[in-house]
Amino acid sequence: GQNIDQPTEMTATEGAIVQINCTYQTSGFNGLFWYQQHAGEAPTFLSYNVLDGLEEKGRFSSFLSRSKGYSYLLLKELQMKDSASYLCAVGDDYKLSFGAGTTVTVRA
Amino acid sequence: DAGVIQSPRHEVTEMGQEVTLRCKPISGHDYLFWYRQTMMRGLELLIYFNNNVPIDDSGMPEDRFSAKMPNASFSTLKIQPSEPRDSAVYFCASRPGLGSNQPQHFGDGTRLSIL
Repeated sequence: GQNIDQPTEMTATEGAIVQINCTYQTSGFNGLFWYQQHAGEAPTFLSYNVLDGLEEKGRFSSFLSRSKGYSYLLLKELQMKDSASYLCAVGDDYKLSFGAGTTVTVRA
Repeated sequence: DAGVIQSPRHEVTEMGQEVTLRCKPISGHDYLFWYRQTMMRGLELLIYFNNNVPIDDSGMPEDRFSAKMPNASFSTLKIQPSEPRDSAVYFCASRPGLGSNQPQHFGDGTRLSIL
């Protein structure tokens, strides 16, 4: 079975940093994906980790520890447009199992 | 480049009616996925295809749901008869065949309301 946990909500101020944690217990693992989903829109791909360590992509970074079943997404220099839901997803074969998502609200 | 295309964007119908959702994947993508998203259950995988063949339909909730992929550029998800609890946003996604690091690309979804 798949068990993927992430916080329900987070609030931060414009310009700040927010870290969204994700823990997982899954029967298979081919990598961990992070998606962003604005309200009323489709999820869009942000990042992928398969090896332990940090992957940086501009203002967004993602970290993975396979031994701990743990990942985080780091959003730096927050902007109002970053207000969205962030979904952690574990890849198993060609399937993805998604967490419930973390709604991030950025305040001025 | 065209992304994943879904139709209709919105559908409102009465319970008991047949509903057909349509999806055109990105050209060249070998995998197609159907998801359902609700507030209560989040994003759930219903079924996925590889080269037009259904691989895993364990997420299909019951026999009222069926999916087909007659060719590489078209798939349908059908609900017959529909029930109010089927109300949700249904997403179609596709991805290339090679490499575990290939992300899935999502369509804009169909927002389905069953009255």
